Amino acid sequence: VQLQESGPGLVKPSETLSLTCTVSGDSISGYYWTWIRQTPGKGLEYIAYIHSSGSTNYNPSLYSRVTVSIDTSKNQFSLRLNSVTAADTAVYYCVKWGRGYGTPFDPWGQGTLVTVSS
Amino acid sequence: DVQMTQSPSSLSASVGDSVTITCRASQTINNYLNWYQQKPGKAPELLIYVVSNLQSGIPSRFSGSGSGTDFTLTISSLQPEDFATYYCQQTFSVPCTFGQGTKLEIK
Repeated sequence: VQLQESGPGLVKPSETLSLTCTVSGDSISGYYWTWIRQTPGKGLEYIAYIHSSGSTNYNPSLYSRVTVSIDTSKNQFSLRLNSVTAADTAVYYCVKWGRGYGTPFDPWGQGTLVTVSS
Repeated sequence: DVQMTQSPSSLSASVGDSVTITCRASQTINNYLNWYQQKPGKAPELLIYVVSNLQSGIPSRFSGSGSGTDFTLTISSLQPEDFATYYCQQTFSVPCTFGQGTKLEIK
């Protein structure tokens, strides 16, 4: 299984960050998929998960600004983060969470750096 | 949220040494504790899952133990490629949380 993030590397403050993760080598159906971000200051931070059924969970710290979606026909899932600020500058990873609770995050996409700046 | 606390935050060791990293959860996590290795510019890579299960392809010098709220990662006979940052993570509850990382450096 391989995951690849795609999307703009530069987003202006107050705008929306949009990323897509394309999954290859396995079906997206039947599994949980997550978004994680990493900053030097806050380390690794869970953003959200989505199951192929469409069920979702969001980190309470980002809940009001985050939406995740999934397109099983394209084997892709996506992240939208609204009203971004410089604090949202991070490397964003898409990760497979397999069967969910109790299972590890594996594998990870290579990550994509998103910078929030005007 | 479950808080994960790793210690030490950094560690210096030599090739051939054995090192241990500890991770403490703020509550019991049903042993749903995983360890990852991250090298500069790369994504984290799964080493060990559910306390002590070695991920496929990971060398046997890596081992994990613990229960309840206290867990350890041990690397025996350090190799040059082991110098990296290590993270623990719980997947007992969402938001899944990570430790702050332990940077293993060459002495």
